[in-house]
Parts: sequence; C-alpha cells; structure tokens
Amino acid sequence: AQTVTQSQPEMSVQEAETVTLSCTYDTSENNYYLFWYKQPPSRQMILVIRQEAYKQQNATENRFSVNFQKAAKSFSLKISDSQLGDTAMYFCAFMKVHSGYALNFGKGTSLLVTP
Amino acid sequence: GAVVSQHPSWVICKSGTSVKIECRSLDFQATTMFWYRQFPKQSLMLMATSNEGSKATYEQGVEKDKFLINHASLTLSTLTVTSAHPEDSSFYICSVIRGIYNEQFFGPGTRLTVL
Repeated sequence: AQTVTQSQPEMSVQEAETVTLSCTYDTSENNYYLFWYKQPPSRQMILVIRQEAYKQQNATENRFSVNFQKAAKSFSLKISDSQLGDTAMYFCAFMKVHSGYALNFGKGTSLLVTP
Repeated sequence: GAVVSQHPSWVICKSGTSVKIECRSLDFQATTMFWYRQFPKQSLMLMATSNEGSKATYEQGVEKDKFLINHASLTLSTLTVTSAHPEDSSFYICSVIRGIYNEQFFGPGTRLTVL
C-alpha cells in the first residue's frame, strides 16, 4: 500500500512571499502520478499541479512549481508570490497508473496567507 | 465551468433514515466515479469505486450494505447511506476521471448531518 506523508499540519506566509509545502510518499511502484490539490474554505477540490513519475523535469504551473525527487520519494510544492486567495488546505496525492486510478491523499497542510 | 455536480449540497436527517446523494458528470461520459468521505479537519478517504453497469468496489472497512452505490448511467452515480447514524455525519465528495492523464475532477461535496 502507498502512504503519503505531509509533515506540516499548518503553515503561514506573508503575501508576496514564497512558501514550500513538503510531501513524502512510500511506494514500490515505478509508474505513478503525483498531485497537489487545493481545498479552499468552499471545500471544492481544485487541482494545482501534476507530476508524472517518469518525467525528470519538475512540473510548473504559473506561480506553482514542484521539486520532485524520485529516489528520495519527495514531492514538495513551492508557491511563489503568495496571494490571499492561496489560503486553503493543500493535499498531496498519489495515484498508481493502470490500477483503478484512485487517489491516495496525505493528511493535508493548512496554509494561511497573511497581508 | 463545473464538470461534476452533486445533489444535495447539504442534508440533515434523523437517525435511522436513509439518504441518497447524487453525483453527475455534466459534460462527458464517466465509466468510473469515486466516492470519498472527509471528516472535519481530516483528509479525503476513498470509500468506493463506482463502475457503470457493474457492482462498486469498496475499500476495506467500508460497509457495502450501509453505503449503497448505483452507477446506472454514464453520467450519474448515487450513494445511499442506509439507516444513517450520527457517526455517518461527514462530508461526502465524488469525483470522475477524465483526460489522457486520468485526472480526477471533484464534485462540490455534500455535507450530511445525522441527528
């Protein structure tokens, strides 16, 4: 079974600053996807960024980027130029390929962006 | 626009009654849908995988006779909580798979409160 660990229950960052959320995972699989999802107070889950395990290049989406270290099984999310609207729960998730495609979530990190 | 809808968005019921939650894929046909449960300040836990035209696959520890899932069409899956009890109070979220990366799109969730 895959486990996803987010070791930071809560984090805070000032507007316009940069913050990094950590995520580690444990798997024996070689082919998988990793995701970061955002859940704002509305509780709607929103995909932030996706990383395919076979790709060495780190994924980026505007202000969001990841540091994917496959050997270390680490998948951190960097948010640059933080905005008040980034305040949310952030979940790291793991998905095996060709095996049902269900997501296995970490416990989440609550991020607060302050003015 | 929204890809997945859920109805109702919130429901309050008496202990012992049954509650049906609908999950609709709005603009594409979904052969697979997922049902998650999220307790307050916790992560999403996969309950079951709903497959169109066949029986749902339940995760270990989820009572299939209590959480009835029906995926009768390519755009609709329903979750019925039978003989609900206060401990079933939770936030229930569905998702569908779409695209070449089997990306999951989530519904807005249903808050169930059992009195």
